[in-house]
Amino acid sequence: GESVGLHLPTLSVQEGDNSIINCAYSNSASDYFIWYKQESGKGPQFIIDIRSNMDKRQGQRVTVLLNKTVKHLSLQIAATQPGDSAVYFCAEIPRGNQGGKLIFGQGTELSVKP
Amino acid sequence: DAGVIQSPRHEVTEMGQEVTLRCKPISGHDYLFWYRQTMMRGLELLIYFNNNVPIDDSGMPEDRFSAKMPNASFSTLKIQPSEPRDSAVYFCASSPSRGWSNQPQHFGDGTRLSIL
Repeated sequence: GESVGLHLPTLSVQEGDNSIINCAYSNSASDYFIWYKQESGKGPQFIIDIRSNMDKRQGQRVTVLLNKTVKHLSLQIAATQPGDSAVYFCAEIPRGNQGGKLIFGQGTELSVKP
Repeated sequence: DAGVIQSPRHEVTEMGQEVTLRCKPISGHDYLFWYRQTMMRGLELLIYFNNNVPIDDSGMPEDRFSAKMPNASFSTLKIQPSEPRDSAVYFCASSPSRGWSNQPQHFGDGTRLSIL
C-alpha cells in the first residue's frame, strides 16, 4: 500500500524478537482506539482495539497498552515474524463522535529481518 | 464473509475524464466510509454514510468529488473532471453500529487511481 508520509517512523527488528510500536494520540476525549496493519497493496487491516475504560488488552501475539495520563498507546507484537512487516497505524475516535469517525496517526513502518 | 469489495483495483485515465469508484460494504454494516491515501497527506476521510445517508462530507476536496449510496450494498465515489492531483489510493470501509459502542472499520483493498 501507499506509505503515509515521506518520513514514516521506522522500526527494524530481528525475527523472533518482540516489537513495540508507539503512538501519541491527540484528543484527551477519545474513548476508543484501534490498531491497523497495512501491507503493501492492501487496505488497513484491523488488529486489535481498546476502550478508554481499559489500560491493557491482549490478542493473539499482540497486546495493546493505553496510558490516558500521557495520551499514549502502544502495540506489542510477540515473537515478530517476517509476515508482520507492514505499516502500523493507530486510530482514535473522540467521545461522542457520531458514526465512529476515525482519526488516524501517521503510521510506523515495521521491518522484520530474517 | 467476503469483506469490503472495491472496483476497479487500478484505474489509469487522462486528465478531464470522469472517474467512478465502486464499493460494496460488508453485509449488515450500516456505516460506509470513503478515504484517500497519499504519500504527503496519509489517510484522509472524505465522506461517510449511515444507513445510506451522507452524514459528513467535510473531507470532500471540492465540487469535482461526489459520492452516493443508492442502497445498503453499494456506493460510488465520482470525480468529474479528474485532475493529476487526484492521483491516490482510494479506500472504502464499513462498520456496524451497536448502540453506543464503537466498532472497528473494515477496509477494502483500495482503488489505485492515476490521472495522467
